[in-house]
Amino acid sequence: RKEVEQDPGPFNVPEGATVAFNCTYSNSASQSFFWYRQDCRKEPKLLMSVYSSGNEDGRFTAQLNRASQYISLLIRDSKLSDSATYLCVVNLNTGGFKTIFGAGTRLFVKA
Amino acid sequence: DAGVIQSPRHEVTEMGQEVTLRCKPISGHNSLFWYRQTMMRGLELLIYFNNNVPIDDSGMPEDRFSAKMPNASFSTLKIQPSEPRDSAVYFCASSYRDGPYEQYFGPGTRLTVT
Repeated sequence: RKEVEQDPGPFNVPEGATVAFNCTYSNSASQSFFWYRQDCRKEPKLLMSVYSSGNEDGRFTAQLNRASQYISLLIRDSKLSDSATYLCVVNLNTGGFKTIFGAGTRLFVKA
Repeated sequence: DAGVIQSPRHEVTEMGQEVTLRCKPISGHNSLFWYRQTMMRGLELLIYFNNNVPIDDSGMPEDRFSAKMPNASFSTLKIQPSEPRDSAVYFCASSYRDGPYEQYFGPGTRLTVT
């Protein structure tokens, strides 16, 4: 089993739709969590951190469920510019820190 | 502020040649990470440094790969000799300090080994 798993998609949604991505992790030593966005042939860029209490940034909401070991990202009112790959990132504390990226979920938003 | 700077942006080389990739982290950041991204394997952490010291190199695929960080503003990733299976995009990232903190990526070096 992979340490961090994501549905690869692709998700094809119309503009204005709400879309949700989930990511599961297997190691209970996981300490911090992030969502990154990667556009085609570009570098990953930090989208948002994920906190136990949940956090929101405009149209984006991230949630963490430690008991079930998953994090989620909700995008409301999708825009064409949201089309990208969304990467789930987990940092483990195993004596030193280890960063693990999920394989990513592709999102296509269509007009 | 300048972000993470990587050079070259593209590198095409023949099998057996030495390749050196370069990275300048964001000023003030103490941790630096080297990643490799391929379609098959996704984004993989190769090695990371904290305060110029290698902390975890367990992701380095084999002895042909080596990385150095002689000072806080410069790091290199060297492949010698290069092989076609090394073809990938290599990203450098930096963060403010070691630990569970956000990382900021450079634009990457697209390496093609023929």
